[in-house]
Amino acid sequence: AQKVTQAQTEISVVEKEDVTLDCVYETRDTTYYLFWYKQPPSGELVFLIRRNSFDEQNEISGRYSWNFQKSTSSFNFTITASQVVDSAVYFCALSENAGNNRKLIWGLGTSLAVNP
Amino acid sequence: KAGVTQTPRYLIKTRGQQVTLSCSPISGHRSVSWYQQTPGQGLQFLFEYFSETQRNKGNFPGRFSGRQFSNSRSEMNVSTLELGDSALYLCASRLAGDYEQFFGPGTRLTVL
Repeated sequence: AQKVTQAQTEISVVEKEDVTLDCVYETRDTTYYLFWYKQPPSGELVFLIRRNSFDEQNEISGRYSWNFQKSTSSFNFTITASQVVDSAVYFCALSENAGNNRKLIWGLGTSLAVNP
Repeated sequence: KAGVTQTPRYLIKTRGQQVTLSCSPISGHRSVSWYQQTPGQGLQFLFEYFSETQRNKGNFPGRFSGRQFSNSRSEMNVSTLELGDSALYLCASRLAGDYEQFFGPGTRLTVL
């Protein structure tokens, strides 16, 4: 069965610290997609990144970076020099590639608080 | 381009009542998915509609139903409400063939 685990329920850091959010997934599929979404207090989920199972190249987007390692079934997310505006709940999600199926399996989220 | 909109944003109902939530996808998006978000269970997939047909369904009782109209707008209905149905209901739309889903602000349903 598919499963996404975000072991860190809450993280609190001081502004400008680097922080890594962990995500571990389980799937029997050989082709799948991984996602990170951000949910600020307003409630709307904001798409951050998508990764397919054949692309293990790490990605950097500004202060955000992602480390995908199939060997450990992990897709970790790092925020460098965190800012107060980064405070939100971050979700990791998995989607199997089965025809038109785009159902997302979600982790329970990591609540990040960045304090000034 | 306007984002995904959901109405109403907040709703208070009592046990046993039914409720209908509405979602308007981004223009051109023909796929609409619904998710339930609760503190205990997190985000759970309800169902997905594409071109007025339900294409995928999560593990929810038959009290949860949905439909999609020819203009891609979607509604979900919950009948015989239970206290445990209190949640944030999120709608997401995407382009056909795409994986990226765009989410609306959600409808916060409280069942008393």
